[in-house]
Amino acid sequence: GNSVTQMEGPVTLSEEAFLTINCTYTATGYPSLFWYVQYPGEGLQLLLKATKADDKGSNKGFEATYRKETTSFHLEKGSVQVSDSAVYFCALSVYGNNRLAFGKGNQVVVIP
Amino acid sequence: DAGVTQSPTHLIKTRGQQVTLRCSPKSGHDTVSWYQQALGQGPQFIFQYYEEEERQRGNFPDRFSGHQFPNYSSELNVNALLLGDSALYLCASSLEAGRSGGTDTQYFGPGTRLTVL
Repeated sequence: GNSVTQMEGPVTLSEEAFLTINCTYTATGYPSLFWYVQYPGEGLQLLLKATKADDKGSNKGFEATYRKETTSFHLEKGSVQVSDSAVYFCALSVYGNNRLAFGKGNQVVVIP
Repeated sequence: DAGVTQSPTHLIKTRGQQVTLRCSPKSGHDTVSWYQQALGQGPQFIFQYYEEEERQRGNFPDRFSGHQFPNYSSELNVNALLLGDSALYLCASSLEAGRSGGTDTQYFGPGTRLTVL
């Protein structure tokens, strides 16, 4: 089946630090990959996406590259801000199917 | 351009009751999907509606049912509520996969927080 695995546990870091959140996937078809962000008390917002191998999605200083050889889509940001504190979800959907499979999410806390 | 809207924002029910949640998709979208997000977990796919029919279904019991109206809005109904049904229910809209070239980005509403006592 289709599944997404995110690294365990919350991530706490200082403002202006480098952020990496790992995401790996398994898929029966050819997936599109997504990162969604959820701020406290809100729904999910699309952060970035990539639809084919070697594509790089980017938005608001965040980047992720679709790596088919390692089945990964790690999220990175070079210098985080307090306003980046949120829960980040990696997700996939398979071609021809708009059904999303999500990872468990990572809580990111940025300390001033 | 209005995004995805959901109502109500919060809801409190008791075990055994029934609940109806509502969703209006983003303008131009024709497909609505529903997800359940338990506390501290990622969203789980419940089902998807297109052309007023259920197109796909996740691993949820028949107590969960839905409907899509001609204007593409949708309802999620849950019967015989259990304590474990307490969650944030998210609605997402998109274009049907065939029309969007195989896959389409889903846009989420703010969710309905359901508490079952």
